[in-house]
Amino acid sequence: DQQVKQNSPSLSVQEGRISILNCDYTNSMFDYFLWYKKYPAEGPTFLISISSIKDKNEDGRFTVFLNKSAKHLSLHIVPSQPGDSAVYFCAATRNNAGNMLTFGGGTRLMVKP
Amino acid sequence: KAGVTQTPRYLIKTRGQQVTLSCSPISGHRSVSWYQQTPGQGLQFLFEYFSETQRNKGNFPGRFSGRQFSNSRSEMNVSTLELGDSALYLCASSEGNTGELFFGEGSRLTVL
Repeated sequence: DQQVKQNSPSLSVQEGRISILNCDYTNSMFDYFLWYKKYPAEGPTFLISISSIKDKNEDGRFTVFLNKSAKHLSLHIVPSQPGDSAVYFCAATRNNAGNMLTFGGGTRLMVKP
Repeated sequence: KAGVTQTPRYLIKTRGQQVTLSCSPISGHRSVSWYQQTPGQGLQFLFEYFSETQRNKGNFPGRFSGRQFSNSRSEMNVSTLELGDSALYLCASSEGNTGELFFGEGSRLTVL
């Protein structure tokens, strides 16, 4: 049973436009959510996170939105840059098991110049 | 600061053998977590160690084990290797317990 799902395996966006990556979860015990970015031949890199007590968190070009009632979160990248091309993983955890992450399957983002 | 270092980077084993992977965390990080990445199952949590104690454990069989030393370095061991154990094994370290992990580049294991 996949508790965290990223339904779009890939996304292609033009440079300068907005990239929106989506993630759904089923476990209502999750209360902290994170996005990681992964380049080929590298380990994932932490990007941004959001607690379940918030509905939005912003860090530069990256904004994560959380809709608890829909059990849905999204990552917005504005403006998208070619260097953003990577695989993006959504992850979720519970407060008492912070480093035990449940990951989604990933979305490959391609930003075209 | 040096990043998370994993050794070996690549290895090939045959079914039935056992393997030990090593991870050196970022200096000062006391938590070390291990994840398995496969094309079919994605990134899956194996276990987490903190101050030499296993703090969390994922849903993997007992053939998968780990330990952490007093200097926070960690090893994971897989015994009686199966073809399905072929994967990228990622180690991550953390200062706290927030899920904000620093990953190494991984050890790619191929089981023939």
